Amino acid sequence: EAQVTQNPRYLITVTGKKLTVTCSQNMNHEYMSWYRQDPGLGLRQIYYSMNVEVTDKGDVPEGYKVSRKEKRNFPLILESPSPNQTSLYFCASASSVRNTGELFFGEGSRLTVL
Amino acid sequence: GDSVTQMEGPVTLSEEAFLTINCTYTATGYPSLFWYVQYPGEGLQLLLKATKADDKGSNKGFEATYRKETTSFHLEKGSVQVSDSAVYFCALASGGYNKLIFGAGTRLAVHP
Repeated sequence: EAQVTQNPRYLITVTGKKLTVTCSQNMNHEYMSWYRQDPGLGLRQIYYSMNVEVTDKGDVPEGYKVSRKEKRNFPLILESPSPNQTSLYFCASASSVRNTGELFFGEGSRLTVL
Repeated sequence: GDSVTQMEGPVTLSEEAFLTINCTYTATGYPSLFWYVQYPGEGLQLLLKATKADDKGSNKGFEATYRKETTSFHLEKGSVQVSDSAVYFCALASGGYNKLIFGAGTRLAVHP
């Protein structure tokens, strides 16, 4: 089954404790992206990757890091989480950079930073 | 910059009612337009799309027409069901196509 898998789905952590949210897709997609969803703001892009070893900032990259060492994986790293990073995070992929409007989304990871 | 504005929700309807969710956009050039749906506890799913002016996207009884003259892409359905209860997001892709720009989302609740 074609899917984007995120882990963990739910996480409560404390300020400053490094964490990684993993994302993996099994569709051989070139393009991957991370979004955060906050009430009243819709989805905002954090980082994206057009292919292996190619990543770039989205609209709200502060406090986040990403890497794309393999085509299928695109982890989101919070080096020193803060309460304003409490949010619902979505990983998404698209077959190519020409189809970035047709995203496949993971089920989301709800993060709470105390 | 580019942006998408959706009507505020929640929208509450009875089953079989007519649905309209308004969406307008601001963009340079000629964006592609999308509607995504998010069911409770799930990620977003592409519902329909339109890539040029006057195109009509349709899927699962939902329709939206790309109106360049009014910069709008309103979502419509003739007869909603309880199973349509979800959050609906309007989005656009423009320029370098490196991202989708989403509206804030509109929650729809359909009651029997």
